[in-house]
Amino acid sequence: GAGVSQSPSNKVTEKGKDVELRCDPISGHTALYWYRQRLGQGLEFLIYFQGNSAPDKSGLPSDRFSAERTGESVSTLTIQRTQQEDSAVYLCASSLGNRGYEQYFGPGTRLTVT
Amino acid sequence: GENVEQHPSTLSVQEGDSAVIKCTYSDSASNYFPWYKQELGKRPQLIIDIRSNVGEKKDQRIAVTLNKTAKHFSLHITETQPEDSAVYFCAARRGGYQKVTFGTGTKLQVIP
Repeated sequence: GAGVSQSPSNKVTEKGKDVELRCDPISGHTALYWYRQRLGQGLEFLIYFQGNSAPDKSGLPSDRFSAERTGESVSTLTIQRTQQEDSAVYLCASSLGNRGYEQYFGPGTRLTVT
Repeated sequence: GENVEQHPSTLSVQEGDSAVIKCTYSDSASNYFPWYKQELGKRPQLIIDIRSNVGEKKDQRIAVTLNKTAKHFSLHITETQPEDSAVYFCAARRGGYQKVTFGTGTKLQVIP
């Protein structure tokens, strides 16, 4: 079946512009996660959704970052007024939630802020 | 919150030798410990996981051990091959919670 997909695969934007990153999880996966991975670094947790609610937003680096999920499916991560330090690969993952813990990752969106 | 530490950050071994990566966690309520492999330019993929009700799990050349008392767990790769070269991440998940906390990663290089 289809895995986790993300779009766009690459995004180059000017400093100060807003960007939206999209994640389509595996159908039926109730849990959805966003991570940030800077070049050569580890996985930095940003936020996760259980259904459409986000019980843990503790990883969002600033109020310029927000995320939403609708229909227990698609999620969008929005970064407002982008800064150069936002440049990274943004990874989305989904899992079955309480019925299964394995996280399936998408291919990521490589964001470059110039 | 949970804190996961991972060592070493880089590891080079000769092909055929064993590799060991170690992680410690802080939250005694954590009960699920996965390991992910990320090849260069690719997405992380689960290679093995262990739950707190067992002490060891093995899958061919890969094994994971868990010491709940000491709050540490390790990944063991035997008879390493060049295709094992990648970054490996450990992680921990607290029971009843969906959030997974990742370690900082170990870059493994297997030298032919």
